[in-house]
Amino acid sequence: IAGITQAPTSQILAAGRRMTLRCTQDMRHNAMYWYRQDLGLGLRLIHYSNTAGTTGKGEVPDGYSVSRANTDDFPLTLASAVPSQTSVYFCASSPTSGSTDTQYFGPGTRLTVL
Amino acid sequence: GQNIDQPTEMTATEGAIVQINCTYQTSGFNGLFWYQQHAGEAPTFLSYNVLDGLEEKGRFSSFLSRSKGYSYLLLKELQMKDSASYLCAFMDSNYQLIWGAGTKLIIKP
Repeated sequence: IAGITQAPTSQILAAGRRMTLRCTQDMRHNAMYWYRQDLGLGLRLIHYSNTAGTTGKGEVPDGYSVSRANTDDFPLTLASAVPSQTSVYFCASSPTSGSTDTQYFGPGTRLTVL
Repeated sequence: GQNIDQPTEMTATEGAIVQINCTYQTSGFNGLFWYQQHAGEAPTFLSYNVLDGLEEKGRFSSFLSRSKGYSYLLLKELQMKDSASYLCAFMDSNYQLIWGAGTKLIIKP
């Protein structure tokens, strides 16, 4: 593994189903982030984690939850998916939080909720 | 409040120069980032400005004016591979990135 990986690459999901998007980084970065990207809108922060064991809410957290049990993994869970959660989801990481460190992005997960 | 704006789409010719503008408003500012994003791929870091002035990095340069809430990305000697979206983002007082919607750059031969 080099950098950030996300799984699955794409997924079609029925409304009401539970779904976990996986994100793993091997750079030993402390900070991790989940964004969604929708056409015509900028990337919007869903949740973030400054370090293992801590998480925080971003701009659009409703309907999503995260956990950070260790440094490498930062899964995003949709408890009961709705069509408005159709989007491309990017995981990112940076060496530290509360700093101007560059964020590095994973390849994204394209999620369609029907 | 906070907001950030950049043109939706621009077209330029291979070999030419193009300037992509970005304007922002915020009460807390910790720098301005530019990222490149090819269709279907992840954003990748291009540049970071926190002080006023021009930062040059090969064919790409980025400029910042904090007093005007203005930045631009200058791409020289355009190549077909530069066809991509260019995302502008400022870092707010909480060190969170606030992103523009991106400028899709189309390069014509």
